[in-house]
This record gives sequence, C-alpha cells and structure tokens, in this order.
Amino acid sequence: AQSVTQLGSHVSVSEGALVLLRCNYSSSVPPYLFWYVQYPNQGLQLLLKYTTGATLVKGINGFEAEFKKSETSFHLTKPSAHMSDAAEYFCAVRTGGSYIPTFGRGTSLIVHP
Amino acid sequence: DGGITQSPKYLFRKEGQNVTLSCEQNLNHDAMYWYRQDPGQGLRLIYYSQIVNDFQKGDIAEGYSVSREKKESFPLTVTSAQKNPTAFYLCASSISGGGNTEAFFGQGTRLTVV
Repeated sequence: AQSVTQLGSHVSVSEGALVLLRCNYSSSVPPYLFWYVQYPNQGLQLLLKYTTGATLVKGINGFEAEFKKSETSFHLTKPSAHMSDAAEYFCAVRTGGSYIPTFGRGTSLIVHP
Repeated sequence: DGGITQSPKYLFRKEGQNVTLSCEQNLNHDAMYWYRQDPGQGLRLIYYSQIVNDFQKGDIAEGYSVSREKKESFPLTVTSAQKNPTAFYLCASSISGGGNTEAFFGQGTRLTVV
C-alpha cells in the first residue's frame, strides 16, 4: 500500500521568504514521487518528479525537492516566494506495482506582500 | 496540442437528476482516472480504467458510474444515488504500467446541486 501525508493544510510566508512544504510518504517498494500545483478552479500541473537517480530534483518556477529515503520525505522548497506562487500544492506517490497515483490532502500556500 | 479536455466547466444539477461529465484525451494514454476534490480532503479516486472496456471502482465509487468504450473518452455519470455531489471533479490520464510517469489533468468540472 502507498500513502502520502502533507504536514500543514496552510502555509503562510512573506514575499521573498523561503517556501517549505512538507511531504512524507509510505511505500513498501521504491516510490516515484511528484509535486503538483493547482490554481483556483483549474486542474493540476506537474511541478517536478523523482523517479530514480539524483535525489535533488529541480522543477518549474524555481521549485525543487529532495528525496530522502531514510526520512521517507520529499519536501518542496523555493528560496524566495513570489506572489504568483500562491496556490494549492499536492504531493503524490506511485509505485512500480500500482499505476494509480495517490495524492496527499494538499497544502495551501499563502504569500503576503 | 495534446491534452485532456473536460466539459462543461460548470454544471448545475437538480435533485434526482443524473448528469454526465465529459473527459476526452488525445495523449494516447491507456490509463484514465476520475477524482473528486472537496476542500481540505485532497483528491479522492472515484473510478479508474487501464484499458478500453475495463474499469474499476476507486475509493468513493458509490453513486457514480463510468464507461470506457473508446481509448480517448472516459465519461463520468453522477447518478441520483450520490447524495452529496457538489464538488470539483478532475479527470486525469497517464501511461499505463510503470509508475515513473506523471498523470496529466484536465481543467476540471465544478458540479453544483441546485
């Protein structure tokens, strides 16, 4: 079985501050991990993904995430928040044995001027 | 451009009515999914299909039905048996087999009971 836990339903930062969105996964086999972003009343858009190889993954819009197997984590970071980053962020996991992605509950990022 | 198209964007349903949400993809993906999104609950899987003429129930299939007669199409019917259908519905597709590829999403349909 696979599952994802996103810590914090809301994260609030000031513009220019570091963004850190937390994601922990549970999987009995090596996972494939994804971060998606959703703007209001729109679908989900892929930010970045980890499959194999380098554990630090860079995505679009300046975001990156690091896969830490020992901590079963895949936290999303961005050095400097921009107002346009305000959105809902979802972490997801898939495994080789199941093609169905499992999503976390999402974290709403609020960016203050 | 390849992608997933959901229609309509907004849909209103009267009590006791069945309504059908459309999902079409031109990505040549075998797998397709329907998710329901409610505030604070993330995405919950309603139905999924790995191949034409085959589909399986997800975690919250009660009150919903689907068909997969064509590879490109995976319509979702919200029946009158679904007691709380007001939500945002998302359709997605992916390459089937091998979990290292991402799912692609449509723009969603917001269903409201009036």
